[in-house]
Amino acid sequence: AIRMTQSPSSFSASTGDRVTITCRASQGISSYLAWYQQKPGKAPKLLIYAASTLQSGVPSRFSGSGSGTDFTLTISCLQSEDFATYYCQQYYSFPYTFGQGTKLEIK
Amino acid sequence: EVQLVESGGGLVQPGGSLRLSCAASGFTFSSYSMNWVRQAPGKGLEWVSYISSSSSTIYYADSVKGRFTISRDNAKNSLYLQMNSLRAEDTAVYYCARDAMVDYWGQGTLVTVSS
Repeated sequence: AIRMTQSPSSFSASTGDRVTITCRASQGISSYLAWYQQKPGKAPKLLIYAASTLQSGVPSRFSGSGSGTDFTLTISCLQSEDFATYYCQQYYSFPYTFGQGTKLEIK
Repeated sequence: EVQLVESGGGLVQPGGSLRLSCAASGFTFSSYSMNWVRQAPGKGLEWVSYISSSSSTIYYADSVKGRFTISRDNAKNSLYLQMNSLRAEDTAVYYCARDAMVDYWGQGTLVTVSS
């Protein structure tokens, strides 16, 4: 199975900050990578797919980049509603696998 | 509006069985692959199973292979997960999820395996 490793596992930041979360795949996955945001007690929400394509309705402060094994999710100007847990997921091959999550907390 | 509504969760004893259902609406169900994804309390997301739009291709996570069976009924716009030989480590919220990069999720149904 392809292992997805996110860093950092948790992070404190302030409103207005620029934040970058990294996801590394244990083998190449081309651009078959998605990013999700999850808030407590809620289902995850798709933010980015195909590594860099913004899902409809997602604010443009979210962006994704990378291909192969190294990927990043960037939030350009943190808003209060962005404090949540973020997951990457590869859908290049089965079993689909998720990163362990990055919890973004208010500083 | 796309909606996925899971049902069938609950408390079951170790070794028991449970069948989850997911009712889909607001899109052409028969055109999309579907997945089950679970999340243990306080833990991350774990993909469980995949079924193609026509049911011709099915995959399972190693952790559930041989115990869980995914199926769908395109005429009823429904997805199912039959769970047998349940273990404590299967305790989780189970989400019905559309497509490979999941663009729609259900609200989840909690399965608790405990004596």
